[in-house]
Amino acid sequence: DAKTTQPNSMESNEEEPVHLPCNHSTISGTDYIHWYRQLPSQGPEYVIHGLTSNVNNRMASLAIAEDRKSSTLILHRATLRDAAVYYCIPIQGAQKLVFGQGTRLTINP
Amino acid sequence: KAGVTQTPRYLIKTRGQQVTLSCSPISGHRSVSWYQQTPGQGLQFLFEYFSETQRNKGNFPGRFSGRQFSNSRSEMNVSTLELGDSALYLCASSSGQGVLNTEAFFGQGTRLTVV
Repeated sequence: DAKTTQPNSMESNEEEPVHLPCNHSTISGTDYIHWYRQLPSQGPEYVIHGLTSNVNNRMASLAIAEDRKSSTLILHRATLRDAAVYYCIPIQGAQKLVFGQGTRLTINP
Repeated sequence: KAGVTQTPRYLIKTRGQQVTLSCSPISGHRSVSWYQQTPGQGLQFLFEYFSETQRNKGNFPGRFSGRQFSNSRSEMNVSTLELGDSALYLCASSSGQGVLNTEAFFGQGTRLTVV
């Protein structure tokens, strides 16, 4: 399993963009990069995933570095509901999610 | 459509007992996986089933077991419960071949307390 490094915590203000970084330098060429988040008292929730090129969906954007050793999850306009722990998870052939410590995101009103 | 349903939501057991937790995946999903979440260890992968076959197993003792039925519903069993088994147990299901190139949907979890 590829190792990931994420900041323990980050803080941002409501309605501002948030950039959550993840370093996954041991990733293999076939690993998909997934992001999940866990809101307080809830199960994890899928955010976005990609392989090589940048990806967008209604929740967020995922920017993947050209060498794929890092990626950034972008929340374009944070809301209070975005306060959660965000996990960056490279996934290879094994059908399992290996959660690290994640980044605890705090949103200030 | 209905999400992933886990029952029961809360459970209190005594050391040495065994427990069975149930997970009903989203209709049509054949991949079901289980995770344990504790404050100290975070979210840890237990096992994953696809079409009634266990494909992956995490680093847990043999007291932890599971199975999947032909309707994709899954159960996990923990025998000879220890205090350290107190945790939130989460089930997730996904479509297609599994989580590699699609999303996993998680249930609300079963909170197990061992006393």
